[in-house]
Amino acid sequence: EAAVTQSPRSKVAVTGGKVTLSCHQTNNHDYMYWYRQDTGHGLRLIHYSYVADSTEKGDIPDGYKASRPSQENFSLILELASLSQTAVYFCASSDSSDYTFGSGTRLLVI
Amino acid sequence: KTQVEQSPQSLVVRQGENCVLQCNYSVTPDNHLRWFKQDTGKGLVSLTVLVHENDKTSNGRYSATLDKDAKHSTLHITATLLDDTATYICVVGDRGSALGRLHFGAGTQLIVIP
Repeated sequence: EAAVTQSPRSKVAVTGGKVTLSCHQTNNHDYMYWYRQDTGHGLRLIHYSYVADSTEKGDIPDGYKASRPSQENFSLILELASLSQTAVYFCASSDSSDYTFGSGTRLLVI
Repeated sequence: KTQVEQSPQSLVVRQGENCVLQCNYSVTPDNHLRWFKQDTGKGLVSLTVLVHENDKTSNGRYSATLDKDAKHSTLHITATLLDDTATYICVVGDRGSALGRLHFGAGTQLIVIP
């Protein structure tokens, strides 16, 4: 059974609309991350969290918010989706030595 | 500036052949290096982790080396199978804990043909 589950698997959103991507982990990991993957580029860190009810900005946080209501759940929120946010989004969880990635959410903003 | 460079960008091999993927990086400090396999439309699956200078690891048909002086790693795949078709991503961690940042390469797309 997948230890990091993302939903939805794919989504089409309208420019200016609100989008919420969800992530659930069963690894009992303290750390959770949101990355985006663009064709031809490595994954880039958007937001991360090391404890429930707290989030930190990653390398490219502009246009994104994050929410960590519990150790298991970590959401990425696009309040006003833009065309440039079309990408594949990956959630991950980790402890000090192990990283587990979800299968990704493919987001298309039109 | 990209801190993790992978080569080749793509590679086609025949089933049964061996192949070598390269990773050069400029991340400092370089605490550890990981190789991931990403099947099309899937998440990243860890293949191996290298930590020490001149580390070598082996995981079935996958083996990897790390030269921290040269900031260079290689991933060898022996006797390739069709299921090895995937993108292989080199990732450098700048700390030995989850507090550290991971620096991702863009990946090498490997295609194994019959």
